[in-house]
Amino acid sequence: EVQLVESGGGLVKPGGSLRLSCAASGFTFSSYSMNWVRQAPGKGLEWVSSISYGGANTYSADSVKGRFTISRDNAKNSLYLQMDSLRAEDTAVYYCARDNQVAGFDPWGQGTLVTVSS
Amino acid sequence: SYELTQPPSVSVSPGQTARITCSGDALPKQYAYWYQQKAGQAPVLAIYKDTERPSGIPERFSGSSSGTTVTLTISGVQAEDEADYYCQSADSSGTYGFWVFGGGTKLTVL
Repeated sequence: EVQLVESGGGLVKPGGSLRLSCAASGFTFSSYSMNWVRQAPGKGLEWVSSISYGGANTYSADSVKGRFTISRDNAKNSLYLQMDSLRAEDTAVYYCARDNQVAGFDPWGQGTLVTVSS
Repeated sequence: SYELTQPPSVSVSPGQTARITCSGDALPKQYAYWYQQKAGQAPVLAIYKDTERPSGIPERFSGSSSGTTVTLTISGVQAEDEADYYCQSADSSGTYGFWVFGGGTKLTVL
């Protein structure tokens, strides 16, 4: 079964850091680009960052550029999101999602909640 | 920045047809995708490449494209279809890896 499981969320103070992880199983992780997408409470989906299958190419939304870093370890079938200089507006559920090229984002993990508050 | 525009809400009675639109200047050049998100759950891919339906998605879900607008159509709506629906496409720059989501449409089954 293809599965993505996020972890690492929690409560952090403004200006703090957090590292999210996404563990992949049931497919050849190293063959797929991956993404992080977030959803603030009661709001819509916002694409955060993407990384190519080998890790050479990364892209980030302007809202997180310079603060968040996406990375992956294909040997560990894992995707990461290093979040620094966190702000209250970064409070959201963070999902990882597999990029099936032109076939869309599928599947998605169950999400991990990040709360930025003093 | 590039935006995809969806109506905030659509309401239909069971058995009727629901149509949810998504507008964006780059849609004639970029594929569109649709996701269904039920309350408290992660999003699920419903339509890809404008019109393709993944396995496991009921046949009553279909997608279409015309100019700068793409449409998700749900024929014979059922109570279980009540959810938020989001369109997605590549950023207008055309660079693969930059993505945009629409603001979402809440489908209410009356």
